[in-house]
This record gives sequence, C-alpha cells and structure tokens, in this order.
Amino acid sequence: AQKITQTQPGMFVQEKEAVTLDCTYDTSDQSYGLFWYKQPSSGEMIFLIYQGSYDEQNATEGRYSLNFQKARKSANLVISASQLGDSAMYFCAMPRGSGYSTLTFGKGTMLLVSP
Amino acid sequence: EPEVTQTPSHQVTQMGQEVILRCVPISNHLYFYWYRQILGQKVEFLVSFYNNEISEKSEIFDDQFSVERPDGSNFTLKIRSTKLEDSAMYFCAIPGSTDTQYFGPGTRLTVL
Repeated sequence: AQKITQTQPGMFVQEKEAVTLDCTYDTSDQSYGLFWYKQPSSGEMIFLIYQGSYDEQNATEGRYSLNFQKARKSANLVISASQLGDSAMYFCAMPRGSGYSTLTFGKGTMLLVSP
Repeated sequence: EPEVTQTPSHQVTQMGQEVILRCVPISNHLYFYWYRQILGQKVEFLVSFYNNEISEKSEIFDDQFSVERPDGSNFTLKIRSTKLEDSAMYFCAIPGSTDTQYFGPGTRLTVL
C-alpha cells in the first residue's frame, strides 16, 4: 500500500523567497505518480503539479516545481518567489494504482508567507 | 481543466438525520470519487464510482453511506443517519489527464 509522509506541520517564509515543502513516499509499484494540491483557508483543493515516476525531467508549473528524487523516494514541492496568496495547506498525494485510481494523501504542511 | 460544482456549500443537520450531498461535473464523466476531510486532518478516500456502480470503497464507507447517479449527470452521496463524527468537508473529484483528479469546492457538513 502507498504511504505518503509530510514531516513539516508548518513552514514560514518571507514574501519573494523560495520555499521547499517535503514529501516522502513508499510504494511497491514500478510506475507511479506524485501530486501536490493546495488548500487555502476557503477549503477547496487546488491541483498544482504532477510528476510521473518515469518522467526524466522535474515537472514545473509556473512558480511551482517538483524536486523528484526516486532513489530517496522524495517529491518535494519548491515554490519560488513566494507570494502572500501562497499561504495555505499543501498536500502531497499518490494514486493507489495506475489508471483512474484513488489518491492517498499526506497530512499536509501549513505554509505561511509573511510580508 | 474539468470543472465540478458541489451543493450545498454548507449543510448543518441534526444527529440522526439524513443528508444528501450533490456533485455536478460540467462535462460528462463516467468516473467519480468522494473524499472526506475531517477538520484539521488529511483527505481520506471514501468511494469511487464508475459507470453507475461502486468500483472501490474504503473502510470508512459503511452501510450509512450510499452513492447514486440519479439522473445521468449529477452524483449524490447520501448519509442515512448522521453522527457527530460525520462532520467534515466532503469533496467530489473527477479524473483529468495522467491520473490527475480535479476536486470540487466541497460541502462542509456540520452535525449537531
């Protein structure tokens, strides 16, 4: 079974600085993917970025990038040039299997961006 | 990016009452998921629904829960007799590309 671990309950960063949110995973699957979602105080779950285990280059989406290290089983989210609107909970998630599979989530990291 | 709406945004109910949470994808989907998030905790899978049948369910999804697609477009999650511990945010989700799942805005259920 998949297991997602997010060891940072909270992170603080100043506006315009970069921040790394940690995520480690455990799976016996040969092919898998990792997701990051953002949950602002309003409660919705916003998809940020995805990377498949066979993707050779780290995924990037605007200011978000995935630092994917398969040997260490880590898929850290890097947010460059933090903005006040980045303050939110961030969840790492992994599908249980391939195809249209249910997601297993980590416990999340609360990011607070200060002016 | 697929869009999905959920109603109501907030539901307050008395313990023991039945509630029905609704989810409407903008475009037609065969695959559908329900997740739950108790306040301050992680998101947990409840049930997946494919082509009008439950394809997978978690241990949380007991006999108090049911899912339906009553009219071919929207999906419902019914809790027959709510308990205090059912208070949570309930999300529906639909698949996108590459295993991506797009979540609806959620329904916050408060059981008194």
